[in-house]
Amino acid sequence: QAVVTQEPSLTVSPGGTVTLTCASSTGAVTSGHYPYWFQQRPGQAPRTLIYDTSDKHSWTPARFSGSLLGGKAALTLSGAQPEDEAEYYCLLSYGGGRVFGGGTKLTVL
Amino acid sequence: EVHLVESGGGLVQPGGSLRLYCAASGFTFSSYWMSWVRQAPGKGLEWVANINEDGSEKYYVDSVKGRFTFSRDNARNSLYLQMNNLRAEDTAVYYCVGGGYARFWGQGTLVTVSS
Repeated sequence: QAVVTQEPSLTVSPGGTVTLTCASSTGAVTSGHYPYWFQQRPGQAPRTLIYDTSDKHSWTPARFSGSLLGGKAALTLSGAQPEDEAEYYCLLSYGGGRVFGGGTKLTVL
Repeated sequence: EVHLVESGGGLVQPGGSLRLYCAASGFTFSSYWMSWVRQAPGKGLEWVANINEDGSEKYYVDSVKGRFTFSRDNARNSLYLQMNNLRAEDTAVYYCVGGGYARFWGQGTLVTVSS
């Protein structure tokens, strides 16, 4: 099965901008991988922020956006807030199967 | 209000079996693909399996193929994950997820495989 790779950790200043990426071992990530992004705060169940590369759920803060960037899926946070400190996971589709990335621990400091 | 409530977790010996349940309410359950996702203690998320709206299509991660069976009962708004020949590496919190674009997540049920 494919391996999906994310940055293990990133730090952003309050009010700053940061981009998390998601790469596939099989080659460039495309819209056909239907990239998802999830946020998980400590002790909580994950919640879905982005689906199908860039679509948002009603609860997704406007400061989060999804895109394809340089052959990877990307999650950009513009105007980081303290509550955005969390683990972020991407998910890619490979036919009927799905593979999560290892997660990025985002620190807002 | 939408609810996904998992149950059936617990402590089981290696080689044993467990059946997980997920009860859904508050949305049109029969209209959506559903999934199981697991998370080992202190580790990341791992997709386990998907099932389509009527249960005729199922997909599994390689590590559980032949051991886990995913099914659903749309009349009861329920999902089931039959887990056989359990291994220590199956120890995790198991979440049911679905409702269109992974809108809804349960709170998870813990499965511990240990002697």
